[in-house]
Amino acid sequence: DTEVTQTPKHLVMGMTNKKSLKCEQHMGHRAMYWYKQKAKKPPELMFVYSYEKLSINESVPSRFSPECPNSSLLNLHLHALQPEDSALYLCASSLVGGTSSYEQYFGPGTRLTVT
Amino acid sequence: AQSVTQLDSHVSVSEGTPVLLRCNYSSSYSPSLFWYVQHPNKGLQLLLKYTSAATLVKGINGFEAEFKKSETSFHLTKPSAHMSDAAEYFCVVSDRGGTSYGKLTFGQGTILTVHP
Repeated sequence: DTEVTQTPKHLVMGMTNKKSLKCEQHMGHRAMYWYKQKAKKPPELMFVYSYEKLSINESVPSRFSPECPNSSLLNLHLHALQPEDSALYLCASSLVGGTSSYEQYFGPGTRLTVT
Repeated sequence: AQSVTQLDSHVSVSEGTPVLLRCNYSSSYSPSLFWYVQHPNKGLQLLLKYTSAATLVKGINGFEAEFKKSETSFHLTKPSAHMSDAAEYFCVVSDRGGTSYGKLTFGQGTILTVHP
């Protein structure tokens, strides 16, 4: 099974709302990632978790708050977002360790619209 | 530092004709290279990967890519395009750079259009 699931598929939120995106994988991967993708652009890395610890924060504004409760689950908590945060949010996972880079498996994404 | 250049932002082919999507890369380490495909409003699907084994890599849906170190290229090909191949394709390089996981660097993407 190489599936990464994400919920919800679509989310519309106001600038004062608090919402969360959820990502789950059962492939035994110990690295999980959040990406943001704007239209007609490649994905941009936001956060990396390795063994449930935050390893990379790509200078993401604090209105985005990631959480990795266990090795299968990754959340992204959203608060006080701006309209320019509207995008497709992708979750991915991969193996870690070893001597080569491992491929990342992506979920279908959450289409977020901030009004 | 690593970088990826996809040489064509758009490629248009007729159904049944060959597909060539071009990618050049640079990397300070021995890279892993990937091609991903993204259909509209979908996530990214891994087509194939190169990780220093065979230089000719076969992937899903009849795609293959050849790693040429001397040319720093990793072009994606398919002998015969199908309408369902219409999508955006990303060439991606990854090196670990001393970490335990790979940080991906994406090309800007190539949109493939397939005409009946």
